[in-house]
Amino acid sequence: QQPVQSPQAVILREGEDAVINCSSSKALYSVHWYRQKHGEAPVFLMILLKGGEQKGHEKISASFNEKKQQSSLYLTASQLSYSGTYFCGTTTASSTSYGKLTFGQGTILTVHP
Amino acid sequence: DGGITQSPKYLFRKEGQNVTLSCEQNLNHDAMYWYRQDPGQGLRLIYYSQIVNDFQKGDIAEGYSVSREKKESFPLTVTSAQKNPTAFYLCASTDLSGQGGPDTQYFGPGTRLTVL
Repeated sequence: QQPVQSPQAVILREGEDAVINCSSSKALYSVHWYRQKHGEAPVFLMILLKGGEQKGHEKISASFNEKKQQSSLYLTASQLSYSGTYFCGTTTASSTSYGKLTFGQGTILTVHP
Repeated sequence: DGGITQSPKYLFRKEGQNVTLSCEQNLNHDAMYWYRQDPGQGLRLIYYSQIVNDFQKGDIAEGYSVSREKKESFPLTVTSAQKNPTAFYLCASTDLSGQGGPDTQYFGPGTRLTVL
């Protein structure tokens, strides 16, 4: 069963913040975040492992709440380049040894000037 | 430069024909994956392979076949049995030898297949 992302779409003005959530009904081992521009390959953003760690670089960060089996991606002071579709990919304890990701349906982020 | 290449970028085929999509990586990664992406949807796993000469079905393997004769190559054949093959196909690879847990999956540029 694939993880559920929310919201499905979000529209921002430059400089505004956004949060994208990824929830699973299964016990997760890791969460991987990607951004995809239209017609291109997904680009890796970051990996979070169970343990509730938070990661980030510059204005994009993420957290992993192991108790809720949920990860959140935080985009602060958004830029036009942040526009795209964001996907979370998850592994469980059994799938992680194969590197087998199950992806959410995606969140479309649009940043306007 | 290390990376994953897929060819061709665009592919057109007639109904009833088999077609093979190429995927090559020079990252020395153990595992390779094939995903299908339909408009407005996420990525669904077709097949994956951890080592040479071994592969497993993903969630939507029906109508597809793969081979893994070399570590760097993982071609996907879309057969005439696939009922709705028009989609964007993405190949990915990852290094499974890391001690610290799951590693990043790197994606190729994709092949857009259209059945006429």
